[in-house]
Amino acid sequence: AQSVTQPDIHITVSEGASLELRCNYSYGATPYLFWYVQSPGQGLQLLLKYFSGDTLVQGIKGFEAEFKRSQSSFNLRKPSVHWSDAAEYFCAVAGYSGNTPLVFGKGTRLSVIA
Amino acid sequence: DTAVSQTPKYLVTQMGNDKSIKCEQNLGHDTMYWYKQDSKKFLKIMFSYNNKELIINETVPNRFSPKSPDKAHLNLHINSLELGDSAVYFCASSQGANEKLFFGSGTQLSVL
Repeated sequence: AQSVTQPDIHITVSEGASLELRCNYSYGATPYLFWYVQSPGQGLQLLLKYFSGDTLVQGIKGFEAEFKRSQSSFNLRKPSVHWSDAAEYFCAVAGYSGNTPLVFGKGTRLSVIA
Repeated sequence: DTAVSQTPKYLVTQMGNDKSIKCEQNLGHDTMYWYKQDSKKFLKIMFSYNNKELIINETVPNRFSPKSPDKAHLNLHINSLELGDSAVYFCASSQGANEKLFFGSGTQLSVL
């Protein structure tokens, strides 16, 4: 069965510092991978996704993520964090075939300090 | 202990039928949601309830009706099912409207 692990429940970074949110998945084949952000007042928003091809994917708001098959990871990165990036971040995985449900990690809360 | 549970996990039905998907959360949260996972596996919010009151109602056909008998339950009733309703439906909850989401495991609906 698919599973997603986000090892960090809460991360605090200084504004302007770099960020990496970890995501490890378990899946028997090449998965679809997603990062969603849940921001106050904006609900759930898709940051980026990986389906195939280039393993480094660019998303909105300056985020990127790299799919590393050998490590079963899909870590989210941003070179310089802004205070508005403070939110809950969810990694999710899904199989290729048909209508298989997304499987979510438990989320990582990002706090940004001045 | 499953925090957000939804049943059934799989639902296969004929066009035109009426069906319900049930959702229960044991986290004591005030807010519950229904999301639809589309064919590209993107999640879109359908409804949100806070303390049994509807607070978000996105553009969904009125064949879809959420029902919240108490704040721990938010069921999704679908009338006159159509082929295009085939999707995965997720229930979620949060302590408040802007608090962290906790997701159910999804219900795969197939309309034949």
